[in-house]
Amino acid sequence: RKEVEQDPGPFNVPEGATVAFNCTYSNSASQSFFWYRQDCRKEPKLLMSVYSSGNEDGRFTAQLNRASQYISLLIRDSKLSDSATYLCAVNIDPAGGGADGLTFGKGTHLIIQP
Amino acid sequence: ETGVTQSPTHLIKTRGQQVTLRCSSQSGHNTVSWYQQALGQGPQFIFQYYREEENGRGNFPPRFSGLQFPNYSSELNVNALELDDSALYLCASSPRDRGLGGELFFGEGSRLTVL
Repeated sequence: RKEVEQDPGPFNVPEGATVAFNCTYSNSASQSFFWYRQDCRKEPKLLMSVYSSGNEDGRFTAQLNRASQYISLLIRDSKLSDSATYLCAVNIDPAGGGADGLTFGKGTHLIIQP
Repeated sequence: ETGVTQSPTHLIKTRGQQVTLRCSSQSGHNTVSWYQQALGQGPQFIFQYYREEENGRGNFPPRFSGLQFPNYSSELNVNALELDDSALYLCASSPRDRGLGGELFFGEGSRLTVL
């Protein structure tokens, strides 16, 4: 089983719809969780950190389910500009020092259609 | 505030050659990490530098090496290039000491093609 798994998609979603995708992780010692957005041939950019209590930033909501070892990202009222690849990332360094780096999934490709 | 900058943006090498990639971290960030992203894959952690020392390494062979300088800028060196080294090499800096928390700010990357 891969350390971090995502459905690669593509997810084709009409503008204005709500879309959600999950990311599963295998290491129960994982401490920190993130969603990054990556546009075609560009660098990843931090979208949001994922906290145990869940968090919301405008149209975006991220949640963590430690028992089932997955994180989720929900996008409401999707915009054409939301089209991108969404990467989940996990830090498994138990000391929280980040020295093991982030483990990324392969990403989920999202296409918002007009 | 200056973001993470990398050079060169694109380069082509042949198998067996050596390459040096450079990165300037974002102002105020003292931790730099390097990632390799092959086509269709997520970024893979190569190593991290904090206070000029390597303090974490991913599953990459010793021919991948690095440096961090007193101004927090960094280099990634790859010796004996192989075809599979063709990828986007991303440098990331962190606003927290030693990368605590994991929030990373990436540069635009150096796209390496090995022929």
